[in-house]
Amino acid sequence: QVQLVESGGGLVKPGGSLRLSCTASGFPFSDYYMSWIRQAPGKGLEWVSYISSSGTTIFNADSVKGRFTISRDNAENSLYLQMSSLRSEDTAVYYCAGGRSSSSSYDSWGQGTLVTVSS
Amino acid sequence: DIQMTQSPSSLSASVGDRVTITCRARQSISTYLNWYQQKPGKAPALLIEAASSLQSGVPSRFSGSGSGTEFSLTISSLQPEDFATYYCQQSYSTPSFGQGTKVEIK
Repeated sequence: QVQLVESGGGLVKPGGSLRLSCTASGFPFSDYYMSWIRQAPGKGLEWVSYISSSGTTIFNADSVKGRFTISRDNAENSLYLQMSSLRSEDTAVYYCAGGRSSSSSYDSWGQGTLVTVSS
Repeated sequence: DIQMTQSPSSLSASVGDRVTITCRARQSISTYLNWYQQKPGKAPALLIEAASSLQSGVPSRFSGSGSGTEFSLTISSLQPEDFATYYCQQSYSTPSFGQGTKVEIK
């Protein structure tokens, strides 16, 4: 059974940091290209960050460049998102999602973890 | 970045209606276009990939078409469980999503 489980969300003050984790099971994680995708309350989906299956290629949305860092540990079947210099506009549910190639769809999604940036 | 524009942003329809949602890309993306369904409080779920390939387990009343810059998602006969928000997403370059189309009960 394909499963992605996010953790690490919570309430953080503006300017603070947070690390999200996503643990995979039931599929060959090391073969999957992974992304973080977020959804602000009542809004649509926004792609945040992408990492290739080997971890050698990374892309970030302009809105998070220089502040967020994506990484993965294929031995631990885990994906991470280190978030720093958080802003109120980063408040969202963060999903990890994966696909079989760099140009494929996202066929696996986690349930999401809520990040709230507020003083 | 490739901007994706969906229309309409929302629609009201009845059970049994035929519904079509359009997605336009600012530049050609061949058939690197995917469709997702999202229900309230849930993660999105893949419906169609590569413009027209139905994901395993997705009912055949869903279909997708298009290439280049214009794409469509059609539900041939709307069912109660289809009331949800639908998103298109291009995978031609760094990913981007349309703004979503909310399908509501008339």
